Amino acid sequence: SYELTQPPSVSVSPGQTASITCSGDRLGDEYACWYQQKPGQSPVLLIYQDTKRPSGIPQRFSGSNSGNTATLTISGTQGMDEADYYCQAWDSSTAVFGGGTRLTVL
Amino acid sequence: QVVQSGAEVKKPGASVKVSCKASGYTFSDYGISWVRQAPGQGLEWLGWISGYNGYTNYAQKLQGRVTMTRDTSTSTAYLELRSLRSDDTAIYYCARADSSGRSGGFDYWGQGTLVTVSS
Repeated sequence: SYELTQPPSVSVSPGQTASITCSGDRLGDEYACWYQQKPGQSPVLLIYQDTKRPSGIPQRFSGSNSGNTATLTISGTQGMDEADYYCQAWDSSTAVFGGGTRLTVL
Repeated sequence: QVVQSGAEVKKPGASVKVSCKASGYTFSDYGISWVRQAPGQGLEWLGWISGYNGYTNYAQKLQGRVTMTRDTSTSTAYLELRSLRSDDTAIYYCARADSSGRSGGFDYWGQGTLVTVSS
């Protein structure tokens, strides 16, 4: 079965740029999405079709996808961005999530 | 938005049915995907149902134990999981999905329904 691999944790200082990667075989051939989930809350769609932001998502969140790796970049990271982040893609007709990355803003 | 039914406690071997009522958009123009999250774990996709024609696509892991249905008259989708085991204990989410069932992200999520399986 298809797998997406994320680092378990990433740390960043406030105001700096955080990058969270998601790796999968030929992931760049598919669209990737990213979700943010804060404790006790439902996931929120941050990025779809590799680079697009839904209405209401701040511009500091951006995405890219090429080769075997999709990347979520958070510019000017704020304390409110501390959360779990999940990538997601489709393998044929099956949606696959990465294992998730906990972002800590130190 | 999508609003889900309340928490459930079930015994091993029982069945559970969770509902997901959609509003604010044309139900038949989209699908609904179901996703679960075990305590302290990540997200797991369970399957998708078309709001238009009821066509379904289930995760292979749950084949034979899961049924997804929908009622277009009330814009409500349902997830039924049978032969429950302790490792089915999780928060179950529904989310609005693409009409194709094989692309796109999940843009509106329900609040989640906690299903606890315990003897």
